Amino acid sequence: QQQVKQSPQSLIVQKGGIPIINCAYENTAFDYFPWYQQFPGKGPALLIAIRPDVSEKKEGRFTISFNKSAKQFSLHIMDSQPGDSATYFCAASSGGSYIPTFGRGTSLIVHP
Amino acid sequence: GAGVSQTPSNKVTEKGKYVELRCDPISGHTALYWYRQSLGQGPEFLIYFQGTGAADDSGLPNDRFFAVRPEGSVSTLKIQRTERGDSAVYLCASSLNRGREAFFGQGTRLTVV
Repeated sequence: QQQVKQSPQSLIVQKGGIPIINCAYENTAFDYFPWYQQFPGKGPALLIAIRPDVSEKKEGRFTISFNKSAKQFSLHIMDSQPGDSATYFCAASSGGSYIPTFGRGTSLIVHP
Repeated sequence: GAGVSQTPSNKVTEKGKYVELRCDPISGHTALYWYRQSLGQGPEFLIYFQGTGAADDSGLPNDRFFAVRPEGSVSTLKIQRTERGDSAVYLCASSLNRGREAFFGQGTRLTVV
């Protein structure tokens, strides 16, 4: 049973484009939603995170949009660059267990 | 240390052998997690330590898998009678007590031949 569903599985954009990655969850106990970036041969690195008391959070070129009623959240990458090419994972955790549950990942390629 | 350190970075073992994978968390982080990541998949939870005790081991796939953290710092994931299906990248992460930000190591790529 996949608790966090992520789409699309892969995404290709041109430099300067705005890739959008979507995630949905079922467990209403989730109250912390981080996004991780992973390069080949490396571990996931925390990129940005949001809590359900806000609808949007922006850090640099990365923005999370959060829709609590729909139980969905998404990552937008503004002015994408070839260096953003990586796999992105959404995750969720609750105050009860603190254990991040991950989506299956989105492989992003940004062409020059 | 500056980050989570995992050793070895690569391990090749024969089917049926025993392996140990080591994780050195960030100094002062009381929470430690082990995950397994198969090719093209997201990290899959295995076990979570808070201090020395396993607070949640519900992700361990079977009794061939075991993990310890005897002094509340370094952790070792132990796999007995390895099978080819155990081949994956094993990731370790740590976080501050009750902190939500989990920091990952680079992983150990285990290959069972």
